[in-house]
Amino acid sequence: QQQVKQSPQSLIVQKGGISIINCAYENTAFDYFPWYQQFPGKGPALLIAIRPDVSEKKEGRFTISFNKSAKQFSLHIMDSQPGDSATYFCAAREEYGNKLVFGAGTILRVKS
Amino acid sequence: GAVVSQHPSRVICKSGTSVKIECRSLDFQATTMFWYRQFPKKSLMLMATSNEGSKATYEQGVEKDKFLINHASLTLSTLTVTSAHPEDSSFYICSARGQGESQPQHFGDGTRLSIL
Repeated sequence: QQQVKQSPQSLIVQKGGISIINCAYENTAFDYFPWYQQFPGKGPALLIAIRPDVSEKKEGRFTISFNKSAKQFSLHIMDSQPGDSATYFCAAREEYGNKLVFGAGTILRVKS
Repeated sequence: GAVVSQHPSRVICKSGTSVKIECRSLDFQATTMFWYRQFPKKSLMLMATSNEGSKATYEQGVEKDKFLINHASLTLSTLTVTSAHPEDSSFYICSARGQGESQPQHFGDGTRLSIL
């Protein structure tokens, strides 16, 4: 059972464009939604995270949009750069929970 | 801040060998540590959760006698793959979380295990 569904599986964006990755969940007990960036041969690095009491959070070129009623959240990467080429994972965690549930990942390639 | 160091980064060994992987939180106290396994081009699969000073909680389907986890201090957890076989070859990643359930998980850089 896939608790967090992530799409697309892969994405190619031109340099300077906007990269958009979407995630959807079913468990209404989730209350923490982080995004991780992973480069080949490295561990995931926390990029940005949001809680359901806000609809948007921005940090530099990265923005999370959150739609609580639709149980969806997305990552927008503005002015995408070749250095952003990596695999991105959305995740979710229950309130007072330990475990992160990860999406399947999106392989992003930014073409220069 | 929030640096997690994992060692070794890569290990190649013969079938039947036991391999120990260390995970250290360098600048914070990790009350909870997690061990994941990742197959190529796949997502992270949680293997077990460990709290300092207590037994690890294993996910369904993960053999606790095969994957021994010790979390003896607030900065160190170890994963030992016992009697490793080629099917145990994988990318193993640890993460650590500071005190408090609202704290984020910080990941190490992983260990590439290859069993010949």
